[in-house]
Amino acid sequence: GAVVSQHPSRVICKSGTSVKIECRSLDFQATTMFWYRQFPKQSLMLMATSNEGSKATYEQGVEKDKFLINHASLTLSTLTVTSAHPEDSSFYICSARGPGNNEKLFFGSGTQLSVL
Amino acid sequence: KQEVTQIPAALSVPEGENLVLNCSFTDSAIYNLQWFRQDPGKGLTSLLLIQSSQREQTSGRLNASLDKSSGRSTLYIAASQPGDSATYLCAVRRGRDDKIIFGKGTRLHILP
Repeated sequence: GAVVSQHPSRVICKSGTSVKIECRSLDFQATTMFWYRQFPKQSLMLMATSNEGSKATYEQGVEKDKFLINHASLTLSTLTVTSAHPEDSSFYICSARGPGNNEKLFFGSGTQLSVL
Repeated sequence: KQEVTQIPAALSVPEGENLVLNCSFTDSAIYNLQWFRQDPGKGLTSLLLIQSSQREQTSGRLNASLDKSSGRSTLYIAASQPGDSATYLCAVRRGRDDKIIFGKGTRLHILP
């Protein structure tokens, strides 16, 4: 099956620093990737849709200048949390739709961000 | 606005029992519904995907059903095992290029 690799798996950083999270489709090309955030015991909330070669589409309430998304190639999307604050601490997960006509979504293993 | 609800929020059952997890959605105009498994601190693993024209899908000990008109789906797990312990999420998509909406999940614990 399609594999999506996400790293780092865990980041601890000081308030005010920026953190970059990478999401790669290892054995297929993903023109569209999705970034989610998940708080403890809560559902996944879509933050933005990342489109290769164009600007990301952000969900209502998500600050695009805060969460920078770059999808420069068909196999890599990055999410940068700029000037992170403790309230940004969360579990971030990326996903990509399967190759060809595969309707399934394949997810990365997630990144636990803790901002001190 | 589509809302996805999963009941119960948590469930503990002895090993070997068959069990049913429930998912309901408010807007029956869906493109597909997908069940996922999430282990603590990990990403999601796709279990079963049901297209809107289908009524059920099976994979091993798992069977998922879909009743679009009533806005319900169930995930049936046969002969549960401790390794089945995880959070199970259902998610619906309105159109092929639409975002998917997740439920909050059911935290399942299989007692050895």
